[in-house]
Amino acid sequence: QLQLRESGPGLVKPSETVSLTCTVSGGSISGSDYFWAWIRQPPGKGLEWIGFIRDSGTTSYSPALTGRVAISVDTSKMHYSLRLNSVTAADAAQYYCARHSRYVGYSWGQGTLVTVSS
Amino acid sequence: DIQMTQSPSTLSASIGDRVTITCRASQNINNWLAWYQQKPGKAPELLIYKASSLQSGVPSRFSGSGSGPEFALTISSLRPDDAATYYCQQYESAPHTFGQGTKLEIK
Repeated sequence: QLQLRESGPGLVKPSETVSLTCTVSGGSISGSDYFWAWIRQPPGKGLEWIGFIRDSGTTSYSPALTGRVAISVDTSKMHYSLRLNSVTAADAAQYYCARHSRYVGYSWGQGTLVTVSS
Repeated sequence: DIQMTQSPSTLSASIGDRVTITCRASQNINNWLAWYQQKPGKAPELLIYKASSLQSGVPSRFSGSGSGPEFALTISSLRPDDAATYYCQQYESAPHTFGQGTKLEIK
């Protein structure tokens, strides 16, 4: 059964870069049917789609974050990563990784909390 | 971006009630719509994909319907465990936008 596990620093300073990794198990990270995504949720608020990557390296990002965000994939290590630079308090959120298939929607990890504070 | 307008934002209903949440897309999404349930402190869980397909393991009291711009999630007979926040999401085109959520409370 597919499992996704997020990891990364829980605390980052304003103006710095946060890097998160999603490790995939119980399934292949390769395959043309899948998109590997990041989604976030500020405390007490709704869900915000950040972007996704395919195993080929093709990416798509939210226009609201384009220029600050990058998603990369390492198929040999069965993981993909999110980098978000110049963070502010508005970037504090629960960050989820998820696998998307057009035919079955999104399957989510449990999430990791990122706090932005000096 | 495709905007997803979800209503109502909060809903209070009794055990056994039939409950409907609606979601309207700002343009055609060709039924590429999912519904999720999220409980406090937990990740969202997929209920419905492709507008009306029930995810494996999800109780049959949940159903999805609709086409074109307007979609609905219906719970046929509300149970205590259904207290949660529900989100719709379109995945016709990136960015895969979400509705603002509906918080369902049990009376």
